[in-house]
Amino acid sequence: GAVVSQHPSRVICKSGTSVKIECRSLDFQATTMFWYRQFPKKSLMLMATSNEGSKATYEQGVEKDKFLINHASLTLSTLTVTSAHPEDSSFYICSARVRGVTDTQYFGPGTRLTVL
Amino acid sequence: KNQVEQSPQSLIILEGKNCTLQCNYTVSPFSNLRWYKQDTGRGPVSLTIMTFSENTKSNGRYTATLDADTKQSSLHITASQLSDSASYICVVRNGKTSYDKVIFGPGTSLSVIP
Repeated sequence: GAVVSQHPSRVICKSGTSVKIECRSLDFQATTMFWYRQFPKKSLMLMATSNEGSKATYEQGVEKDKFLINHASLTLSTLTVTSAHPEDSSFYICSARVRGVTDTQYFGPGTRLTVL
Repeated sequence: KNQVEQSPQSLIILEGKNCTLQCNYTVSPFSNLRWYKQDTGRGPVSLTIMTFSENTKSNGRYTATLDADTKQSSLHITASQLSDSASYICVVRNGKTSYDKVIFGPGTSLSVIP
């Protein structure tokens, strides 16, 4: 099956710094990638939808200047948390939609971000 | 409002026992419904996908049902194993276009104990 990877799996950073999380589709091309945020014991919350070669579409309440998303190729999307604060600490998960198949979304393993 | 609800919120069962998780939705128009398993600290993995015309679908010890009339789905786990301990998430797709939305349920946390 299709594999989506994320890097890093865990990151700890100081408040005020920026952190970049990578999401890669390893064996397929993904025209659309999604970024989610998940708090403990809560379900996934969609942050933004990222289409290759165009600007990301952010969900209501998500600051686009704080969560920078770049989808430069069909296999890579990045999420940069800028000027991180402790309340940004969360589990970030990406998913990729298989090109040509609108219904199939594969999730990455997630990245645990802790901001001190 | 498009919503997906799940019950119970959490469940503890003995290894080897069966259990059934419930999902109710008010999503319209309906495209499909998926059950995902999410292990702690991992991304969700799809177990089953069901469209409007499907009533039952199995994947090993997992059997999902769908009643499109009452907008209810269930996930039945047979002969539970310790590795079944995870969060099970019901996800309903709204619409039929490439840019439709998926609505996540809150999940059911299942703990299988020896």
